[in-house]
Amino acid sequence: EAGVTQFPSHSVIEKGQTVTLRCDPISGHDNLYWYRRVMGKEIKFLLHFVKESKQDESGMPNNRFLAERTGGTYSTLKVQPAELEDSGVYFCASSHHASGSSVNEQFFGPGTRLTVL
Amino acid sequence: KNQVEQSPQSLIILEGKNCTLQCNYTVSPFSNLRWYKQDTGRGPVSLTIMTFSENTKSNGRYTATLDADTKQSSLHITASQLSDSASYICVVRRGAGGGNKLTFGTGTQLKVEL
Repeated sequence: EAGVTQFPSHSVIEKGQTVTLRCDPISGHDNLYWYRRVMGKEIKFLLHFVKESKQDESGMPNNRFLAERTGGTYSTLKVQPAELEDSGVYFCASSHHASGSSVNEQFFGPGTRLTVL
Repeated sequence: KNQVEQSPQSLIILEGKNCTLQCNYTVSPFSNLRWYKQDTGRGPVSLTIMTFSENTKSNGRYTATLDADTKQSSLHITASQLSDSASYICVVRRGAGGGNKLTFGTGTQLKVEL
């Protein structure tokens, strides 16, 4: 079974440009999560999809970030326009169980390293 | 404030030796505590998940403990191998009142040397 995949693995862009990150969850996983790790800090939650619906987007930093999951399969995270502080590693995770389940094991992708110059 | 603190920040040990990593948390409401291993350039991979009622859980050479009263956890690695070199992240899942979110520690960077 294929794991969570993310594309691209690395992206280097200039301040003010737009970047779109993609996540393909494990097939059949309804729950999809985006996280971000800024250098030197802990991984932090950005948002959670259940199928195509945004369940919780309380971690999104500001309105320059837009996440979509049309059709409830893969998801994209767009940053427009990118700022220097957006640099970091963006992780995607998926899980099968409902978020209310006590286990809800999440499987992480390898991450996309974003560098904004 | 909901936080997860880990110590030490980094650790170097010789192959074959044991080590113990520590995690203290103030996350509430508590649902479960997880230890993840993250290799360089990879995503975190779950090692153990413990609920409130569990105080120890093993996964091969990895043994995690949980004291929900003192809000402390540890990860013990036995007979370390070079492949154990990675970042080990303690993660606490908040309960329903906290939105079921994961709160991450900053990790302990372990290096195993010959």
